[in-house]
Amino acid sequence: QVQLVESGGGVVQPGGSLRLSCAASGFIFSSYGMHWVRQAPGKGLEWVALIRSDGSKEYYADSVKGRFIISRDDSKNTHYLQMNSLRAEDTAVYYCAKDYRSGFCDYWGQGTLVTVSS
Amino acid sequence: EIVLTQSPATLSLSPGERATLSCRTSQSVSSYLAWYQQKPGQAPRLLIYDASNRATGIPARFSGSGSGTDFTLTISSLEPEDFAVYYCQQRSNWPPCTFGQGTKLEIK
Repeated sequence: QVQLVESGGGVVQPGGSLRLSCAASGFIFSSYGMHWVRQAPGKGLEWVALIRSDGSKEYYADSVKGRFIISRDDSKNTHYLQMNSLRAEDTAVYYCAKDYRSGFCDYWGQGTLVTVSS
Repeated sequence: EIVLTQSPATLSLSPGERATLSCRTSQSVSSYLAWYQQKPGQAPRLLIYDASNRATGIPARFSGSGSGTDFTLTISSLEPEDFAVYYCQQRSNWPPCTFGQGTKLEIK
């Protein structure tokens, strides 16, 4: 069965950096794009980033463009979200998700909480 | 960026009743719309993709319809486990893969 497990969340000061990881199993990882989606406390879902299955292209929400970098390591069945220049408004639960039909998300991890606070 | 507007914000119904949730997009997304269910403390779950196709394992009481800019998620007869927040999402014009703001379905 498909499993996605995020790690790397925590508390970081404004301006700091954090790297999230998402370990995948139960499917052919290299065949699928992978997303990050976040949810601020008590708020709705916000799509953050997507990396294509072959790693050839990445896409970002305007709110994180230039600060966040999505990447993948198919040898480890893992993808990452490097978050730099963090702001209070980046505080959220970050979910990784498997791409379905180029834009939807059919499997999700349990989420990892990132708190940006001094 | 395509904006998705869901209505109502909150829907209060009783088990056994029919639920109708709406999602309107700021421009046509053809049929490239999905619906997700999210329960407190859990990750979202894909219910419907491409407007009307049920995802794997989703009960038949969930159905989706619509195309262009107006979409509907219908739950034919509410079960206790259906009370949750529902989000629509488009993949027609991305990035970004925008979500609606959600509809909370609560027990009356």
